[in-house]
Amino acid sequence: DTAVSQTPKYLVTQMGNDKSIKCEQNLGHDTMYWYKQDSKKFLKIMFSYNNKELIINETVPNRFSPKSPDKAHLNLHINSLELGDSAVYFCASSQGTSLGNTIYFGEGSWLTVV
Amino acid sequence: AQTVTQSQPEMSVQEAETVTLSCTYDTSESDYYLFWYKQPPSRQMILVIRQEAYKQQNATENRFSVNFQKAAKSFSLKISDSQLGDAAMYFCAYRSGEYNNNDMRFGAGTRLTVKP
Repeated sequence: DTAVSQTPKYLVTQMGNDKSIKCEQNLGHDTMYWYKQDSKKFLKIMFSYNNKELIINETVPNRFSPKSPDKAHLNLHINSLELGDSAVYFCASSQGTSLGNTIYFGEGSWLTVV
Repeated sequence: AQTVTQSQPEMSVQEAETVTLSCTYDTSESDYYLFWYKQPPSRQMILVIRQEAYKQQNATENRFSVNFQKAAKSFSLKISDSQLGDAAMYFCAYRSGEYNNNDMRFGAGTRLTVKP
């Protein structure tokens, strides 16, 4: 069973479109994250939710809007896609926000904007 | 300023031999955790090993071990008896309370090639 699953795995779309990436974790974790990995492989956090509440919101354009309908799900919606949004987006989860809580990652969603 | 530095963009090792990947970090905290993640071509991020800063003993997981030098702020990963399946990007990561809600910070990664 996949612990952190995200869909779609691959997404190719045109500039200006709106798209969503869904994420679900079956680990019973309280905290979920979205990370972005750019073309240089640099991995950076975008958002974090703890018990459905937003706790980390890094400097991300307003076109990106996360939504957590429940603790097990954290979806990412992106409006008006731009070429620079092309990246691999990773969903992740951890038991909580404590330092020692390991962060478990999904397989990534590879977004290409053309 | 970059918190986590991996000075080796690429490394290669012969199958069955040992390789060490370097990682240094910058912090004034005393309580923190360090991690190594592996990212194979499939792109999935897989936890390899973790180390609590308050523990002096170096963490080990089968063929993977770390050399944690707290004073030097160094956290290198040693892979023994390298296997073809070890070929991947390896990311060093740091987590402490100095960031927003204990956010984890990653290094730029080291691409490891294993030669048969």
